Amino acid sequence: EVQLVESGGGLVKTGGSLRLACAASGFIFRSFAIIWVRQAPGKGLEWVSSISSTSIHIYYADSVKGRFTVSRDDANNSVYLQLDSLTVEDTAIYYCVRGPSVMDPFDYWGQGTLVTVSS
Amino acid sequence: SFVLTQPPSVSVAPGKTAKIPCEENTIGSKSVHWYQQKPGQAPVLVVYEDSARPSGVPERFSGSNSGNTATLTISRVEAGDEADYHCQVWDRGSDHWVFGGGTRLTVL
Repeated sequence: EVQLVESGGGLVKTGGSLRLACAASGFIFRSFAIIWVRQAPGKGLEWVSSISSTSIHIYYADSVKGRFTVSRDDANNSVYLQLDSLTVEDTAIYYCVRGPSVMDPFDYWGQGTLVTVSS
Repeated sequence: SFVLTQPPSVSVAPGKTAKIPCEENTIGSKSVHWYQQKPGQAPVLVVYEDSARPSGVPERFSGSNSGNTATLTISRVEAGDEADYHCQVWDRGSDHWVFGGGTRLTVL
């Protein structure tokens, strides 16, 4: 069974940092892209970042570029999202998502981890 | 980049057909995917590449795409279809994913 489990969310002050982790299981991790999608309270979905299976292709939304960094550790079937210089606008549930490639639709989603940024 | 426009809400009676549009000037030339998100849950892919259905998704869910509108159609709507529906497109020009604002489907 494919599973994606996010962790690392929490409450942080404006300007602070968090590191989110996504632990994957149930599939050949190194063969898939991993994407981060967030959803602010009561709002729609917003794509945040994608990392390809080989880490060659890494993309960021304009709203987080220069502040967030994505990486993957294939030995541990994990993906990380480093969140720096956080603002209240970054408050959201962050979902870890699987895709056959960075440009294919998302076939499995984690349950998300909540990041709350307070001023 | 471009913007995908969805109506905030659509209402439909049980047993009827719901149509949820996703609009963009040249969306007919793009590949559109649709996600269903029930309250408190993560989204689930229900239609991909305009009209294909993942395994396990009922045939009542279908999609179309032409001109400036992509449409998710849900036939014989059931109470369990009440959810938010999000359209999505890959922007080749910027290597970014774009989501529509989402549509809340209410079953009357």
